[in-house]
Amino acid sequence: ETGVTQTPRHLVMGMTNKKSLKCEQHLGHNAMYWYKQSAKKPLELMFVYNFKEQTENNSVPSRFSPECPNSSHLFLHLHTLQPEDSALYLCASSTLGAQSDEGSSYNEQFFGPGTRLTVL
Amino acid sequence: GNSVTQMEGPVTLSEEAFLTINCTYTATGYPSLFWYVQYPGEGLQLLLKATKADDKGSNKGFEATYRKETTSFHLEKGSVQVSDSAVYFCALRRNSGNTPLVFGKGTRLSVIA
Repeated sequence: ETGVTQTPRHLVMGMTNKKSLKCEQHLGHNAMYWYKQSAKKPLELMFVYNFKEQTENNSVPSRFSPECPNSSHLFLHLHTLQPEDSALYLCASSTLGAQSDEGSSYNEQFFGPGTRLTVL
Repeated sequence: GNSVTQMEGPVTLSEEAFLTINCTYTATGYPSLFWYVQYPGEGLQLLLKATKADDKGSNKGFEATYRKETTSFHLEKGSVQVSDSAVYFCALRRNSGNTPLVFGKGTRLSVIA
């Protein structure tokens, strides 16, 4: 039990569908992340939220829309996806470390099991 | 920029064989280094970490030493088991600033009985 849950575990959708991925953490963390894991590519960081505020968006297409209503929940809303968006989407959470002039530092991340997304 | 390079897989070993998975990094300053493991159907789990040069991280028989001079953090295990079959990810994190983890591509390990 990692303390980070993701639903659904598997999702198949057409390019015109709208769906949402959900992540929930029960660890009292205040930072949450979305990653994309594609075959033969490094794990790609998509979004980072600190205390419900988005702090990173790594040039992710607008067809992916994150939402963080509170520090325990994170959503990824999907619409008009492409077949190349098929991948494993991983959620993670962590505490935030010490503040510095450059910003907060991130502590160990705990990952959920992922949602296997297939876009037809 | 920061990056991590891992040896290409897949790696296939017999049970009780010696394992090495190479990892080298490029980073500004002195990052913290990590190995994560992903078992089939699961998310990533932290396996071990090292936060400064010459530190050795260890867990479940796995070890990795932070080598600043060679910018490496190779993962080793003296005797692998079938249950070690998984994908292993090397990662780094700057020790200051707001940059989260940077991962390598992952190396798939298959251990056969």
